[in-house]
Amino acid sequence: GAGVSQTPSNKVTEKGKYVELRCDPISGHTALYWYRQSLGQGPEFLIYFQGTGAADDSGLPNDRFFAVRPEGSVSTLKIQRTERGDSAVYLCASSFSASGGVNEQFFGPGTRLTVL
Amino acid sequence: GNSVTQMEGPVTLSEEAFLTINCTYTATGHPSLFWYVQYPGEGLQLLLKATKADDKGSNKGFEATYRKETTSFHLEKGSVQVSDSAVYFCALRSGGSNYKLTFGKGTLLTVNP
Repeated sequence: GAGVSQTPSNKVTEKGKYVELRCDPISGHTALYWYRQSLGQGPEFLIYFQGTGAADDSGLPNDRFFAVRPEGSVSTLKIQRTERGDSAVYLCASSFSASGGVNEQFFGPGTRLTVL
Repeated sequence: GNSVTQMEGPVTLSEEAFLTINCTYTATGHPSLFWYVQYPGEGLQLLLKATKADDKGSNKGFEATYRKETTSFHLEKGSVQVSDSAVYFCALRSGGSNYKLTFGKGTLLTVNP
């Protein structure tokens, strides 16, 4: 069966540009998560969606970062006025729910963002 | 807040050697503990988990025991294979935000034939 997919796999952009990163979760998963993994670090939580709404966006580093999930499936992470410090691998994960016995998070392969 | 500290790598072993990767944690409440593995070119995969003290998680010959008294969740395998070469992440989930995983920095394991 299809896992979590993310596009593009690699994105190179220039400082100051706008980028969008896409995540397709596993079908039927209502919870979706974004994490950011900087070089040499573990993934760090950015935002969590339950359905269409962002239930927790406390990990977004500043207001240049925004994410949407308008139909409760595909999600897009949007970064405005990119900075070199935004360079990282952006990971998406999904799960059936956020709590209880079916909350294992399945991760996508990530999008490697490089800001020149 | 929650945090995870794991043994820094890289770790290089010969095939059939014994593996230990140390992991300790700080958490509010009663965390669930996890080991994730990232094989070259692939996404993070859950390797094993434990949800309460003294539980032992196991999978693919790997084991880890939830030790509340030492706040540890060390990963062990008795005989590693070349195919175990990967980055291993210790993680926890706890507190009111129990959907949010907190990860350690990862340990790169290389197993030589």
